[in-house]
Amino acid sequence: KNEVEQSPQNLTAQEGEFITINCSYSVGISALHWLQQHPGGGIVSLFMLSSGKKKHGRLIATINIQEKHSSLHITASHPRDSAVYICAVQGDGGSNYKLTFGKGTLLTVNP
Amino acid sequence: DVKVTQSSRYLVKRTGEKVFLECVQDMDHENMFWYRQDPGLGLRLIYFSYDVKMKEKGDIPEGYSVSREKKERFSLILESASTNQTSMYLCASSFRSSGSLTGELFFGEGSRLTVL
Repeated sequence: KNEVEQSPQNLTAQEGEFITINCSYSVGISALHWLQQHPGGGIVSLFMLSSGKKKHGRLIATINIQEKHSSLHITASHPRDSAVYICAVQGDGGSNYKLTFGKGTLLTVNP
Repeated sequence: DVKVTQSSRYLVKRTGEKVFLECVQDMDHENMFWYRQDPGLGLRLIYFSYDVKMKEKGDIPEGYSVSREKKERFSLILESASTNQTSMYLCASSFRSSGSLTGELFFGEGSRLTVL
């Protein structure tokens, strides 16, 4: 069982919809990362967080450390938001440079 | 604009060839990483370097070696390429941050290697 589980695996939305992608993990962490990968493209870091909530434009990331859960929200979705969104957690032990990655959520936003 | 640059976007090599993948970052980051990305398996860490000449094995180091002679450059070497090393290879870098060894990650565009 992967230590990082994302849901859903695939998500299709209409332009303008509010989108939520979930990430659950089973280990103690020092930080959680949300990443975005467009088809054929490199990976871009969206957020790195260890508590609470962060907002950047239309994107919001939250984390609940006690429940070992994080969500990525996209408000007023747009076709350019179509991408794979990847959750990654960073351990809290001695090797906390290592990230464990989820398998990703493929988001398609239709016009 | 901050940048992580990988030397080749696409490479085709033959089984048994030695392959060099180069990665250069211009952000003065201490940490550099090599990952491979395969469908259904996600990103897996091959090697990590936290300083010049320092390296740590990741989850799948077999068949790979690395070199970090200068802070800005981290090379991945496949001594004798095999078909099961056909993959997308991604380099990343980050600062060290307090409370956590890795800060925000910056990725290169990736190098897609095909071994025939």
